[in-house]
Amino acid sequence: AQSVAQPEDQVNVAEGNPLTVKCTYSVSGNPYLFWYVQYPNRGLQFLLKYITGDNLVKGSYGFEAEFNKSQTSFHLKKPSALVSDSALYFCAVRDSNKAAGNKLTFGGGTRVLVKP
Amino acid sequence: DAGITQSPRHKVTETGTPVTLRCHQTENHRYMYWYRQDPGHGLRLIHYSYGVKDTDKGEVSDGYSVSRSKTEDFLLTLESATSSQTSVYFCAISDGTGGGLGGYTFGSGTRLTVV
Repeated sequence: AQSVAQPEDQVNVAEGNPLTVKCTYSVSGNPYLFWYVQYPNRGLQFLLKYITGDNLVKGSYGFEAEFNKSQTSFHLKKPSALVSDSALYFCAVRDSNKAAGNKLTFGGGTRVLVKP
Repeated sequence: DAGITQSPRHKVTETGTPVTLRCHQTENHRYMYWYRQDPGHGLRLIHYSYGVKDTDKGEVSDGYSVSRSKTEDFLLTLESATSSQTSVYFCAISDGTGGGLGGYTFGSGTRLTVV
């Protein structure tokens, strides 16, 4: 079975400081990894994904994430956080093995609060 | 979100009544999913479909059924609503490749309250 862990329920950071949201995963095959963001009373918006290739993935709004196979991690980062980055962030994984089914499994979410 | 709509957006219903939520897509994607979102649990998969009339259970399928008679529509039915099914329900679509803009596109959600 595939799973995702986001160890922090909330991350607090001052505006202008670096932001990191942690994610670790477990799949039997190779992972497809995703980050989504959710603003209040909204659906999920795609930020970035790792399918294959370069371990450092760049996405929307200045976010990036680094795939680390040995640590089974896919941490989300932003060099300089903005107050508008305050939201709920979800990491998700899908097993690239088709036999596992095309199902996306989410972590519990991390709330990011960026203070002015 | 473009290409996927959910209805209704909000619903209040009484315990024991049946409820049907609708997801409609215009992307002709093969895969459709129903998730529920609850605080502390993230999104959990209820049911999914990998083609017309082809569906399978997710991790929290008890008390829910689904139907997909057309590519574009995926219905989620709460057969007899309970208070534990108060949640926000999201539909998602995928072309199955893991690629595309984000692999999965989500609807705006349906907020269901069972009283």
